[in-house]
Amino acid sequence: DSGVTQTPKHLITATGQRVTLRCSPRSGDLSVYWYQQSLDQGLQFLIQYYNGEERAKGNILERFSAQQFPDLHSELNLSSLELGDSALYFCASSAQGSMNTEAFFGQGTRLTVV
Amino acid sequence: QKEVEQDPGPLSVPEGAIVSLNCTYSNSAFQYFMWYRQYSRKGPELLMYTYSSGNKEDGRFTAQVDKSSKYISLFIRDSQPSDSATYLCAMSHSSNTGKLIFGQGTTLQVKP
Repeated sequence: DSGVTQTPKHLITATGQRVTLRCSPRSGDLSVYWYQQSLDQGLQFLIQYYNGEERAKGNILERFSAQQFPDLHSELNLSSLELGDSALYFCASSAQGSMNTEAFFGQGTRLTVV
Repeated sequence: QKEVEQDPGPLSVPEGAIVSLNCTYSNSAFQYFMWYRQYSRKGPELLMYTYSSGNKEDGRFTAQVDKSSKYISLFIRDSQPSDSATYLCAMSHSSNTGKLIFGQGTTLQVKP
């Protein structure tokens, strides 16, 4: 158990809908990272928050948004869902701002858009 | 062309074999190199971390980086069935970044 909790584990929804994925980082970790894993694209960095502030942005679609709350949990909001958004969404956390040596991944949320 | 290329396999070896996993990359700015292991239905976990060129050993695992060839390797000695997983290489250009560039992952099966 990495200590990073993601809910829900599975989500099935229809095209055009909006969903929210939740991530609770390890106790004391200030950084939260969101990654998308799909069969064709592999693991892709979406966005990073550090202590409530956006720190870095990757290939995140405009239909997607995220935030980190004062208690450090984070939510990833996906709207106007398309079939191609079906993927595993991972959250990772670290104490500081780097993924390089100290980040731990959650078990992911499997999103299926039908 | 992807920044990081990794043969997806699958790679099947008998228990006890030496396994060699590799990635090539195109961005010469990458300086930090990692190997992750991902079991089915789990999140990736960090196995090895290397800065710049050279070798690093940790138990049965050895990571090698050859920046001149833009080529990194992970060797697993005395492979075990419990090593069966997908292995992902990842790299970054900065020590203080959340953005890792991952390879596609190589699926390894170690047969008893």
